[in-house]
Amino acid sequence: DQQVKQNSPSLSVQEGRISILNCDYTNSMFDYFLWYKKYPAEGPTFLISISSIKDKNEDGRFTVFLNKSAKHLSLHIVPSQPGDSAVYFCAATRGNEKLTFGTGTRLTIIP
Amino acid sequence: DAGVIQSPRHEVTEMGQEVTLRCKPISGHDYLFWYRQTMMRGLELLIYFNNNVPIDDSGMPEDRFSAKMPNASFSTLKIQPSEPRDSAVYFCASSSGTGWYEQYFGPGTRLTVT
Repeated sequence: DQQVKQNSPSLSVQEGRISILNCDYTNSMFDYFLWYKKYPAEGPTFLISISSIKDKNEDGRFTVFLNKSAKHLSLHIVPSQPGDSAVYFCAATRGNEKLTFGTGTRLTIIP
Repeated sequence: DAGVIQSPRHEVTEMGQEVTLRCKPISGHDYLFWYRQTMMRGLELLIYFNNNVPIDDSGMPEDRFSAKMPNASFSTLKIQPSEPRDSAVYFCASSSGTGWYEQYFGPGTRLTVT
């Protein structure tokens, strides 16, 4: 019972264009959402987060959107750069330290 | 500053053998997490500690898995006996009480059980 789902295992985007990564969740009790980024042979690193009281959070080239009614969040990267090629994990929590992660989406930025 | 340290980085063992994975969290962090990454299930939380005390071990697959945190700077995850389905990358992560959502991950241990 995967409570956090990333249905696209991979995504390829041209350099300079927008990358959109999607995530769906089933547990309506989740109230805080996060994105982590992972390079090969390294552990994931925190990227950006959003509280359920907001519908958008922006940090430089990265923006996370939350649609609570659809139980859906997305990460937008604009413009996409070669260094953004990585695996992106969506995670959710009920306001505590226990994170539930998705299966990840591998993003490839094409030069 | 050193990040989270895990050892070994790679472990190959035969089915039935005992495997011990080690983790040194970031100094000053009071939460420690053990995760397992597989293609099918992504990153799964196995167990986590707060101030060296296990808080939630509901993700531990079965009794073959055990974890300890004897002090604030060291934790182990043990699998005994190991099985081929345990093959995965195991991550340790730590965080502070104030920034609990920003977990700092180690580089992981890739475990292969043949």
